[in-house]
Amino acid sequence: DSGVTQTPKHLITATGQRVTLRCSPRSGDLSVYWYQQSLDQGLQFLIHYYNGEERAKGNILERFSAQQFPDLHSELNLSSLELGDSALYFCASSVGVHEQRNGYTFGSGTRLTVV
Amino acid sequence: GESVGLHLPTLSVQEGDNSIINCAYSNSASDYFIWYKQESGKGPQFIIDIRSNMDKRQGQRVTVLLNKTVKHLSLQIAATQPGDSAVYFCAETVGQNFVFGPGTRLSVLP
Repeated sequence: DSGVTQTPKHLITATGQRVTLRCSPRSGDLSVYWYQQSLDQGLQFLIHYYNGEERAKGNILERFSAQQFPDLHSELNLSSLELGDSALYFCASSVGVHEQRNGYTFGSGTRLTVV
Repeated sequence: GESVGLHLPTLSVQEGDNSIINCAYSNSASDYFIWYKQESGKGPQFIIDIRSNMDKRQGQRVTVLLNKTVKHLSLQIAATQPGDSAVYFCAETVGQNFVFGPGTRLSVLP
């Protein structure tokens, strides 16, 4: 157990629907990162939050949004889902913003299947 | 558990042999690199890191080599074991975040 908790583990939904993925960071970590892992694109950085504030955005679609709450858990909202959104979504956490020691701690991911 | 299922280059190694996994990184300004291991059904796990002021760093059974001239990183695993079977990613720092390479699947043959 890495200490980063993601729910649900699996999610199957239809095109056009909206889903919310949840992440609880490791105790003491203030930064949360979201990554998408699909078949042909490896691990793609989506967004980074630190202590409730958005710090960096990667290749995140406008249909996707995220937030980090006062208790530091984060949610990734995916709307108007398309077949191509099927992927593994990982959350990772770290203590700070410029955390370059030991990188990030990853959760086990949420497998999203859009049918 | 779910497998990563990526269309990845695969390295097959006999159990007990040494493995070498290579990675080309993109940003000549990157100053910190990490190798991650991703087993089926799990998220990436930290293996070893190296800063750009070093050429080599050794851990337990693993060694990372950095060649900044050609922007190349390698991970060497000594005496490869069945438990080493996984997908391996290199990651470089770009700004505040890590950018991951495409990954290599290591398959350990009995």
